[in-house]
Amino acid sequence: AQSVTQLDSQVPVFEEAPVELRCNYSSSVSVYLFWYVQYPNQGLQLLLKYLSGSTLVESINGFEAEFNKSQTSFHLRKPSVHISDTAEYFCAVSEIQGAQKLVFGQGTRLTINP
Amino acid sequence: DTEVTQTPKHLVMGMTNKKSLKCEQHMGHRAMYWYKQKAKKPPELMFVYSYEKLSINESVPSRFSPECPNSSLLNLHLHALQPEDSALYLCASSHSGTNPGGETQYFGPGTRLLVL
Repeated sequence: AQSVTQLDSQVPVFEEAPVELRCNYSSSVSVYLFWYVQYPNQGLQLLLKYLSGSTLVESINGFEAEFNKSQTSFHLRKPSVHISDTAEYFCAVSEIQGAQKLVFGQGTRLTINP
Repeated sequence: DTEVTQTPKHLVMGMTNKKSLKCEQHMGHRAMYWYKQKAKKPPELMFVYSYEKLSINESVPSRFSPECPNSSLLNLHLHALQPEDSALYLCASSHSGTNPGGETQYFGPGTRLLVL
């Protein structure tokens, strides 16, 4: 079985400041890693994912995440946040050889202050 | 078109009512999902359909009954719900190719259900 730990339930930052949202996972098998974002009153949408290859993955809106196998981490970063980044961010894993089953972390609420 | 639509947006029902939630996608995806999301919590998987067949049931109570009439449509029939079933119900879909674990799931906006 897999589990995902998001170490911060809430992260407040000022606009244009950098941010890091932390994610650690535990699994006895190899997994794929995902970050999904949920804006207020909306469903989730994929931000980025790691399947294989380069351990640094980027999204189109300036976020990036780095897969660190030795530390079983997949932290999300952005060098300069905007008010529009205010949302709930969920880290998730799924088994490489398994079914289409995402296991989510508890989420991190990112609040951007002007 | 990468949209998953869900109706209704909001639903209030009594514990003796029967209602249905509807989800639709026209992306040609062959996997569809129901999730339950309580306030300030992550989504919890309920059911997965793959090629219109139920492939995963996460031990969901029988008062929730899923149905997949065709590859574009997913329903969730509700009967004799409890107040603790009040939540946001999210539908999602994915391609269901040769690497299902790595696929992106596309989520609808959800149906916010209140059981009185």
